[in-house]
Amino acid sequence: EDQVTQSPEALRLQEGESSSLNCSYTVSGLRGLFWYRQDPGKGPEFLFTLYSAGEEKEKERLKATLTKKESFLHITAPKPEDSATYLCAVHEETSGSRLTFGEGTQLTVNP
Amino acid sequence: NAGVTQTPKFQVLKTGQSMTLQCAQDMNHEYMSWYRQDPGMGLRLIHYSVGAGITDQGEVPNGYNVSRSTTEDFPLRLLSAAPSQTSVYFCASSYSSAAQQFFGPGTRLTVL
Repeated sequence: EDQVTQSPEALRLQEGESSSLNCSYTVSGLRGLFWYRQDPGKGPEFLFTLYSAGEEKEKERLKATLTKKESFLHITAPKPEDSATYLCAVHEETSGSRLTFGEGTQLTVNP
Repeated sequence: NAGVTQTPKFQVLKTGQSMTLQCAQDMNHEYMSWYRQDPGMGLRLIHYSVGAGITDQGEVPNGYNVSRSTTEDFPLRLLSAAPSQTSVYFCASSYSSAAQQFFGPGTRLTVL
């Protein structure tokens, strides 16, 4: 059974304090790993897709990396507007069209 | 483009009532799906569709029905609502199962 685990569950940072969120997964064959951002009361918003180990993608203060067992979302010099819940999801080769989501990391950035 | 739209935004039902959650997308996406989101459990797939006329079950399908008569619409039906179906429901679409999914704003459902 696919397993996607995100850590920490919650993270509180000061503005400018860089950190990383973790998404570890156990699947038999990864077709893709997705990162989403979710603001309170809204639907998830797509950030990145990673397909193979060693791949990296960047967007503003966010950088996503992928290994064979986990993905990291690095947040550099965060701002209060980066506060949100960050979700990762995996698409596994034998799961057909299904995505399996982790429970998310709730990030709070204080000014 | 409006993207993915969902109606209603909020709904309160009594146990045993039925209702339909509406979902529409205007991006000509073949793949559409329904998720429920509960505290501490993340997003769980209810049903999905890979094209008009084709639907399949996800992780938690019991108590829900879907149909896909057009590319644009993917309604979710609750046949006899139960308190365990209290949740936030999200519809999503993508051009393929391996592509990024676009999510709607969600429907917050409470079953008393």
